[in-house]
Amino acid sequence: QQQVKQSPQSLIVQKGGISIINCAYENTAFDYFPWYQQFPGKGPALLIAIRPDVSEKKEGRFTISFNKSAKQFSLHIMDSQPGDSATYFCAASMEEYGGATNKLIFGTGTLLAVQP
Amino acid sequence: DTAVSQTPKYLVTQMGNDKSIKCEQNLGHDTMYWYKQDSKKFLKIMFSYNNKELIINETVPNRFSPKSPDKAHLNLHINSLELGDSAVYFCASSQKKPLSNEQYFGPGTRLTVT
Repeated sequence: QQQVKQSPQSLIVQKGGISIINCAYENTAFDYFPWYQQFPGKGPALLIAIRPDVSEKKEGRFTISFNKSAKQFSLHIMDSQPGDSATYFCAASMEEYGGATNKLIFGTGTLLAVQP
Repeated sequence: DTAVSQTPKYLVTQMGNDKSIKCEQNLGHDTMYWYKQDSKKFLKIMFSYNNKELIINETVPNRFSPKSPDKAHLNLHINSLELGDSAVYFCASSQKKPLSNEQYFGPGTRLTVT
């Protein structure tokens, strides 16, 4: 119940195309769903996040679509660029430990390659 | 100024040795974490501290002992290193805010046990 399933494992997209990465969860207590971007040799960095009270959030070329009933959420990267080539992780967390900490459960990651 | 820093960046050592990784954050956050990223890039939380108090210990072997001397520092000491400990270890920090639980990650420490 603590798992977050992510697909695909890897993705190749042409420059200017749309990249779509999907995640699914089981625990309905999860209330925070971030996407992290990781470049080789670097730590993950927050890209965009959503709470389950909205179905979509957009920041620039990045959009999260959230389907609460299906317990699924996805990341869409519009007009994909070679600089977007990185590993993307979805994650989920819920309020616990009295808010003293935030335990992120990560998906298995998607390696995105955007070809010029 | 680096927000979350870790030392060393690379650590190569032999089985059975003891080693430490240090982490410092200058963001004024109350909460710090250690994550392990394995060779398949899977990220898993190991520990979390809030104001120097251990909050999360994710069934990590006793050979791993975190220490938080103050809320800006969280160190990780590993005893009797094993081959399976080879991984990238990330430190992170966060501060609870109403609409954000963003965690800021350090650059990672690549540990190789031979």
